[in-house]
Amino acid sequence: DTAVSQTPKYLVTQMGNDKSIKCEQNLGHDTMYWYKQDSKKFLKIMFSYNNKELIINETVPNRFSPKSPDKAHLNLHINSLELGDSAVYFCASSPLYWANYGYTFGSGTRLTVV
Amino acid sequence: GQQLNQSPQSMFIQEGEDVSMNCTSSSIFNTWLWYKQDPGEGPVLLIALYKAGELTSNGRLTAQFGITRKDSFLNISASIPSDVGIYFCAGQGSGSRLTFGEGTQLTVNP
Repeated sequence: DTAVSQTPKYLVTQMGNDKSIKCEQNLGHDTMYWYKQDSKKFLKIMFSYNNKELIINETVPNRFSPKSPDKAHLNLHINSLELGDSAVYFCASSPLYWANYGYTFGSGTRLTVV
Repeated sequence: GQQLNQSPQSMFIQEGEDVSMNCTSSSIFNTWLWYKQDPGEGPVLLIALYKAGELTSNGRLTAQFGITRKDSFLNISASIPSDVGIYFCAGQGSGSRLTFGEGTQLTVNP
């Protein structure tokens, strides 16, 4: 069983389209995150939800909207996609909103905007 | 905000060599974590450090939490080809947010 699963693994789309990435964790964790990894491999946090409540909302364009229907799911919807949105997006989860327990990451969604 | 400086950015070594990489912070961290990312996968936790001065091993990997709480290092002994990947340090400071270093790309030549 995959602990943190993301779909799709690859997403190629045209500029201006709207797309969603889904994430589910079966670890019973309370907190989930979205990270963006750019071409230089730097991991930048975008959002964090704790038990369906938004905790972290970094300086991310409002074209990005996370949604957490329950604590096991955190989806990311992106409107009006731009070329600069091309990156690998990682979902992660942790037992509590305390980083010292470590995060469990999904295997990533490679988004390519053409 | 807190920043982590990780070095080196990349390493090219021969199989069997030992490897060392480190992270330094401009501020104190309460927890240091080391992750490895294989190509096409997400980062996986290797070692977690919770106390200043703590030295922890995981197989051929050894990591230490610096006494000043502003640095940490990771050593890999007798490297093998499957050690290839990107290694990230991460730290938790006064808040609960995790800050990641910029990563060290390791290449091991057989």
